[in-house]
Amino acid sequence: GAGVSQSPRYKVAKRGQDVALRCDPISGHVSLFWYQQALGQGPEFLTYFQNEAQLDKSGLPSDRFFAERPEGSVSTLKIQRTQQEDSAVYLCASSFGSGGYTFGSGTRLTVV
Amino acid sequence: QKEVEQNSGPLSVPEGAIASLNCTYSDRGSQSFFWYRQYSGKSPELIMFIYSNGDKEDGRFTAQLNKASQYVSLLIRDSQPSDSATYLCAVGAGGNEKLTFGTGTRLTIIP
Repeated sequence: GAGVSQSPRYKVAKRGQDVALRCDPISGHVSLFWYQQALGQGPEFLTYFQNEAQLDKSGLPSDRFFAERPEGSVSTLKIQRTQQEDSAVYLCASSFGSGGYTFGSGTRLTVV
Repeated sequence: QKEVEQNSGPLSVPEGAIASLNCTYSDRGSQSFFWYRQYSGKSPELIMFIYSNGDKEDGRFTAQLNKASQYVSLLIRDSQPSDSATYLCAVGAGGNEKLTFGTGTRLTIIP
């Protein structure tokens, strides 16, 4: 596609519910990143894929967070047993090489 | 101490003037430096990147890097109301790796 596509755009989850956030990167981009952005803060790194390989997951805040990219294209970020502190905008970005990357529109997750 | 520091602002600049945004970073091994613009409710948008000491110009934007002082800045010439946004400084280890972002500086251009 022309840009990075994320869905859903908004998600309201009850505390304890599992959620799955989808990212469809720019076609041909081998690198894919997930970031979490709290209100008034800069994005915080969660995890990074190169093709289907998850090369860095050091930013995932707990074992409730899991990400996959099984065919090296679409990625899913899954959060199990959501907590209120998980409320944030989840940003996906993709890149072909160096020179910065392109963010998607994000998924705003609200846990109630 | 945060790894990437920015003055949160708000920074108010008259239309047509030069806006100067500053950023310092703590990791001396950092190799890549980026400026993203983020409008309210939108996702960050890349506007400049710089890898080498000195200045890099692109239209009304100039990025400046001083690795010895661990300092990177963004100048916006002939500021326009459409430049009003939050500007995020991001630093990387080099190559295509994760970036560490500052909290952003909110810039307001006053007509």
